[in-house]
Amino acid sequence: AQKVTQAQTEISVVEKEDVTLDCVYETRDTTYYLFWYKQPPSGELVFLIRRNSFDEQNEISGRYSWNFQKSTSSFNFTITASQVVDSAVYFCALSEEQGAQKLVFGQGTRLTINP
Amino acid sequence: EPEVTQTPSHQVTQMGQEVILRCVPISNHLYFYWYRQILGQKVEFLVSFYNNEISEKSEIFDDQFSVERPDGSNFTLKIRSTKLEDSAMYFCASRLGTSGARTQYFGPGTRLLVL
Repeated sequence: AQKVTQAQTEISVVEKEDVTLDCVYETRDTTYYLFWYKQPPSGELVFLIRRNSFDEQNEISGRYSWNFQKSTSSFNFTITASQVVDSAVYFCALSEEQGAQKLVFGQGTRLTINP
Repeated sequence: EPEVTQTPSHQVTQMGQEVILRCVPISNHLYFYWYRQILGQKVEFLVSFYNNEISEKSEIFDDQFSVERPDGSNFTLKIRSTKLEDSAMYFCASRLGTSGARTQYFGPGTRLLVL
């Protein structure tokens, strides 16, 4: 069965600090997909990134970077030089290749960036 | 840029009443989903829909729930007799479905309050 764990319920940092959000997953499928979504205070879910299980290259997009490690079943998300606008709840999610490819979400990490 | 839309944005109803939540997925997408998020909790899968039928549903999606795509553009979620515990944010999502297109794009959500 699929499972996603985000052990950090809340993180609070001061602006310009770097922050890493942890995500650990479980799956029996050999092919799967990992996602990060951002939920700002307005409530919508904004897609940030998708990673395929067969592609372990890390990715950087501006201040955002993602570290995918199959050996530890982790897909961590780092924000460099955080800004107040980064304040949101961040969800890690997993879908398996088989079936309807539903998303299984972690509990989310509430990130607060203080000025 | 194409996006998923949902109406209404908010709905208040009395316990026992029927509600219909509406979604317009991205036009060339083939897979459709409903998720819900009880306040402060994680996002949970309800149902997936492909080729005019349910492809997978969760334990939450009991006989009180139904989905349909009546006219080729709208995708609706009906709750026949609402309960207090149905109060949540309901998200619709769609996915292109062609090879490699695994990302689900979410609508802004409908916040349902059952009194």
